[in-house]
Amino acid sequence: EAGVTQFPSHSVIEKGQTVTLRCDPISGHDNLYWYRRVMGKEIKFLLHFVKESKQDESGMPNNRFLAERTGGTYSTLKVQPAELEDSGVYFCASSEGSWPSQETQYFGPGTRLLVL
Amino acid sequence: DAKTTQPNSMESNEEEPVHLPCNHSTISGTDYIHWYRQLPSQGPEYVIHGLTSNVNNRMASLAIAEDRKSSTLILHRATLRDAAVYYCIAGYGQNFVFGPGTRLSVLP
Repeated sequence: EAGVTQFPSHSVIEKGQTVTLRCDPISGHDNLYWYRRVMGKEIKFLLHFVKESKQDESGMPNNRFLAERTGGTYSTLKVQPAELEDSGVYFCASSEGSWPSQETQYFGPGTRLLVL
Repeated sequence: DAKTTQPNSMESNEEEPVHLPCNHSTISGTDYIHWYRQLPSQGPEYVIHGLTSNVNNRMASLAIAEDRKSSTLILHRATLRDAAVYYCIAGYGQNFVFGPGTRLSVLP
């Protein structure tokens, strides 16, 4: 069974540009999460989708970040415009739809974003 | 959210058991205790989770205190591949909080 995949693996952009990160969850997983680790700090929660709906987006840092999950399958995280402090590793995770299985999250390898 | 505290680092010899402690004194009654680990340049990897009873799987064992305020991840025979940062997490959703974790070094 394929795991969580993320694209691209690395992205280098200039300040002010736009970047879109993609996450493909494990097939059949209703829950999809985004996290990030910036500036060597701890991994922080960004948001949680249940199917195509945003269950919790309390961790989104500001309105430059937009996450979507059309059709309840893959998700995109767009940063527009990117700032230097957005550099870091962005992780996606997915889990099954029903409790308690939804508690176990499976993470992708991450997208390493560098904003110059 | 249930904050967890772990030692910053631990060291083990290869082939020996490792006990990684975690305190979660503010855990709620329905919060599972999760352990993940992260190898360099990889995403976090699920290790084990439990609610009240001790749990075993092919990777590790999880011993949960009776009052659920602490737990211990047990690697029965550490290998060089087990060198990673281990995270203990108690909570769900926005309360699924990664702390600094414990950096485990395994010596040959």
